[in-house]
Amino acid sequence: DAKTTQPTSMDCAEGRAANLPCNHSTISGNEYVYWYRQIHSQGPQYIIHGLKNNETNEMASLIITEDRKSSTLILPHATLRDTAVYYCIVRFPWGSGGSNYKLTFGKGTLLTVNP
Amino acid sequence: DAGITQSPRHKVTETGTPVTLRCHQTENHRYMYWYRQDPGHGLRLIHYSYGVKDTDKGEVSDGYSVSRSKTEDFLLTLESATSSQTSVYFCAISGGSGGVSDTQYFGPGTRLTVL
Repeated sequence: DAKTTQPTSMDCAEGRAANLPCNHSTISGNEYVYWYRQIHSQGPQYIIHGLKNNETNEMASLIITEDRKSSTLILPHATLRDTAVYYCIVRFPWGSGGSNYKLTFGKGTLLTVNP
Repeated sequence: DAGITQSPRHKVTETGTPVTLRCHQTENHRYMYWYRQDPGHGLRLIHYSYGVKDTDKGEVSDGYSVSRSKTEDFLLTLESATSSQTSVYFCAISGGSGGVSDTQYFGPGTRLTVL
């Protein structure tokens, strides 16, 4: 099972881009990289996911290196409300019954956006 | 946000009493999950369901049972609550569309305290 490594914490100035790195050097060819975040006391919130290509949605961009051993989540214009713990997760199939799977959450990165 | 509600949102109970937590979804998603979140452990999967009456164990299933009698409801039962089950419980859903990039969406959580 691929594991991920993230910095424990990061700071970012409001209005600037926040770049959150993640290492997943043991990722296998069919595993996706997912990003979630969790604002204090709330449920995890899905942000974005990708396999090989860079991805962008209304929340963020995901840059995956060509060898897929690392990725970076980019919040283009961080706001105070983006202060949260950000989780990088590599998804693997698990269990029975079809396409269900388990998400393994590590410790994540606490991003603090400062005014 | 996905239509997921959890009830109750907060509960305090005593050791040895039975407790049932409810997860309700309005998305008609096939898969439903129960996780618990504890300091130092991240989120851990308790049980999951891949259809009505179809459930399976997760990594920390001891002391918990689940039931799913209809698509929209997934119940988590602690038959005899213990202090070690004090935690925040999150429900999640996913569509199970068959594609490998299926995404889980989380509910707001239930904070359970066992005295």
